[in-house]
Amino acid sequence: GNSVTQMEGPVTLSEEAFLTINCTYTATGYPSLFWYVQYPGEGLQLLLKATKADDKGSNKGFEATYRKETTSFHLEKGSVQVSDSAVYFCALTNTGGFKTIFGAGTRLFVKA
Amino acid sequence: DAGVIQSPRHEVTEMGQEVTLRCKPISGHNSLFWYRQTMMRGLELLIYFNNNVPIDDSGMPEDRFSAKMPNASFSTLKIQPSEPRDSAVYFCASTSVRTDTQYFGPGTRLTVL
Repeated sequence: GNSVTQMEGPVTLSEEAFLTINCTYTATGYPSLFWYVQYPGEGLQLLLKATKADDKGSNKGFEATYRKETTSFHLEKGSVQVSDSAVYFCALTNTGGFKTIFGAGTRLFVKA
Repeated sequence: DAGVIQSPRHEVTEMGQEVTLRCKPISGHNSLFWYRQTMMRGLELLIYFNNNVPIDDSGMPEDRFSAKMPNASFSTLKIQPSEPRDSAVYFCASTSVRTDTQYFGPGTRLTVL
């Protein structure tokens, strides 16, 4: 079956540090891959997505590249800010489907 | 667009009472999802609908939980009777065939005393 595995948190970084959150997936077919972000007290919202192999999704300085050969979609940001403190969810949706499989979430704390 | 609307935002009730959570999806979206989020269990999919029809309710914890979608613009999640272990944040999300992105509401924080 389809599944998403992401690194456990919490991740604690100082402001302007480099961020990587690892995500790997298992899926049949050709899924679309996503990163969602959840700020305190809010629902999840889309951060970025990629729909096919080698695509790079990017938004707000965050990037992730769809790597089919390693079944990975790692999230990166070159310089984090305090305002990036949130929970980050890796997710996939299979072709033609509407059900999204979410990872367990990784909590990020950024210190000033 | 107003986004996904959930009500109430907060609900405090006593054990044994009936609780009804409400959701209005984004206009034009034909799939709707109910999730539950807790610190211990993370984000769990409870049930989802496509074109108002329940497709998969395997995540509904037990018979005390029920969900309906009488039309394309409204869904309810009911817990009867409620128990303290039902305390969680309940999210509704919607999507459509034109996008594979889920749009989440702000959630309802339920506390059962």
